[in-house]
Amino acid sequence: AQKITQTQPGMFVQEKEAVTLDCTYDTSDQSYGLFWYKQPSSGEMIFLIYQGSYDEQNATEGRYSLNFQKARKSANLVISASQLGDSAMYFCAMRAPSNDYKLSFGAGTTVTVRA
Amino acid sequence: DGGITQSPKYLFRKEGQNVTLSCEQNLNHDAMYWYRQDPGQGLRLIYYSQIVNDFQKGDIAEGYSVSREKKESFPLTVTSAQKNPTAFYLCASSVGAAHQPQHFGDGTRLSIL
Repeated sequence: AQKITQTQPGMFVQEKEAVTLDCTYDTSDQSYGLFWYKQPSSGEMIFLIYQGSYDEQNATEGRYSLNFQKARKSANLVISASQLGDSAMYFCAMRAPSNDYKLSFGAGTTVTVRA
Repeated sequence: DGGITQSPKYLFRKEGQNVTLSCEQNLNHDAMYWYRQDPGQGLRLIYYSQIVNDFQKGDIAEGYSVSREKKESFPLTVTSAQKNPTAFYLCASSVGAAHQPQHFGDGTRLSIL
């Protein structure tokens, strides 16, 4: 069984500062994918960034980067230079073959960016 | 543009009534999914389908039904057996591979009258 843990229910960050959102996971699969999604108050789920289990480099997409530590089963999201529009709920998720490639989601972290 | 369309955006259900939520995708994805989200909570999987004419129960399938007669369409019926249907429902699709993200529709908010 796969499990995703996000231990921070809510975080505040000052505009233009960086913020790190924690995510740990548990799986027995060797090949798996890790994803981060953003959900603003309007409700849509926006895909942000992907990290593959065999990728040696940490993924980056614009202001988003993923701090992947495979041995620790950790996949933290870093948002640099926070903007007011970054205020949203953020979900860490994983897909793996042993789970039919279904997405397993964490409970989410709410980020509030302060001006 | 390719994407996933969910309709309606808002839906109201009377007691004892079945309602159907629509989900259509033009991404040519084989797999489609339905999730339920309660306020302030994460997503829970209701049903998923990896191929036409086949679907599997997720974690909270009781009180829901689905069909997958076409690759593009995966409607969800919330039956009268679902006693607490008020929630936000999200549909997603993807290719069946670990490195591909699921793409989501904009969701349907269902409320009880």
